[in-house]
Amino acid sequence: GQNIDQPTEMTATEGAIVQINCTYQTSGFNGLFWYQQHAGEAPTFLSYNVLDGLEEKGRFSSFLSRSKGYSYLLLKELQMKDSASYLCAVRDGDYKLSFGAGTTVTVRA
Amino acid sequence: IAGITQAPTSQILAAGRRMTLRCTQDMRHNAMYWYRQDLGLGLRLIHYSNTAGTTGKGEVPDGYSVSRANTDDFPLTLASAVPSQTSVYFCASSPTDRDYTDTQYFGPGTRLTVL
Repeated sequence: GQNIDQPTEMTATEGAIVQINCTYQTSGFNGLFWYQQHAGEAPTFLSYNVLDGLEEKGRFSSFLSRSKGYSYLLLKELQMKDSASYLCAVRDGDYKLSFGAGTTVTVRA
Repeated sequence: IAGITQAPTSQILAAGRRMTLRCTQDMRHNAMYWYRQDLGLGLRLIHYSNTAGTTGKGEVPDGYSVSRANTDDFPLTLASAVPSQTSVYFCASSPTDRDYTDTQYFGPGTRLTVL
């Protein structure tokens, strides 16, 4: 089975930085994804890591350590529109995605 | 290009009734998936199809069936709905190009309430 843990909620101020951690234990590993989901909407793809290290995409960066079963999503220069749930998902040896329960980020003015 | 469409957007259903949730994609993706999303549990895979003509069971398949007659359509059927099937259902697709990210793209969801 898969076990993916991430914090339930985080709150930060506009313009600040927030780091969302994700730890996982899976049978096989074929990559880790981060998705953003606004309330009442579909998840949308943010980032993908399959090798150790940092992937940067504008204000968003994602880090992976396969040996530690650990990833984080870093959101910089927070904007009000970044208020959403952020889903960590791991692709296992059968190429199926298992999702964490999601972290709800609230950005305050 | 619409991407992935789902119908209906929302539905209230009496327990014991049969219901089919529709999903259509126009990206010519090989793989399609059905998930349910419940508060505090995240997205859970119900069924999947790696290519037209094949289907497989996910984490929570009981009470659901799927078919994949062609590349574009992947309907999910609840044969006899029960209240525990109240959830938001998302359909997704991916190209299954395993040399790259094979990102899954999600439809807008169907909110189903079983009374």
